[in-house]
Amino acid sequence: NAGVTQTPKFQVLKTGQSMTLQCAQDMNHNSMYWYRQDPGMGLRLIYYSASEGTTDKGEVPNGYNVSRLNKREFSLRLESAAPSQTSVYFCASKDVAGGSTDTQYFGPGTRLTVL
Amino acid sequence: AQSVTQPDIHITVSEGASLELRCNYSYGATPYLFWYVQSPGQGLQLLLKYFSGDTLVQGIKGFEAEFKRSQSSFNLRKPSVHWSDAAEYFCAVVPSGGYQKVTFGTGTKLQVIP
Repeated sequence: NAGVTQTPKFQVLKTGQSMTLQCAQDMNHNSMYWYRQDPGMGLRLIYYSASEGTTDKGEVPNGYNVSRLNKREFSLRLESAAPSQTSVYFCASKDVAGGSTDTQYFGPGTRLTVL
Repeated sequence: AQSVTQPDIHITVSEGASLELRCNYSYGATPYLFWYVQSPGQGLQLLLKYFSGDTLVQGIKGFEAEFKRSQSSFNLRKPSVHWSDAAEYFCAVVPSGGYQKVTFGTGTKLQVIP
């Protein structure tokens, strides 16, 4: 049981390049999330997927797109990277049932630098 | 809109001393409350959570937190800090029954000096 996995761990892009961050979970969770973490700003939600086939914008969606490929996988795409997107990106998943299961599990993060 | 405030950006304590990290939230109803810890270069790990019931909750690694409705607070405590507790700590809230969006505080970085 690997939990939440993310690839790649590190990435350097030039301005204007595109890339896709991959996330997978093996806990059979319904909800998945993408956050970015910047110094002094905590974690900010980019997009989330409440269930397979649905996606919704979070707090900072501009410049990003997502795909919920299946129940396990949720990818984040930067179509034209900008230096402002230099950040650490975390994927998380959660069982949608709520109550005592209402806990997010996080991946190890992807450190992205845009030059 | 719900919000979470962690007023202390950085805290330094001596090993063996007690610790309290502050968290205040703003929300109409009592939300679900969480504390996460992030070691350098790592993802977030859940320390403890509060949903209802006993307002003093116990977590992993010897941490506890107390929910105080009157103060809209959920402060994290540890009676004796270890050097391995040096990390960044995040408080988070999610609306009770609203399982979609989690709001995180900006974090408190803990330094432990020998």
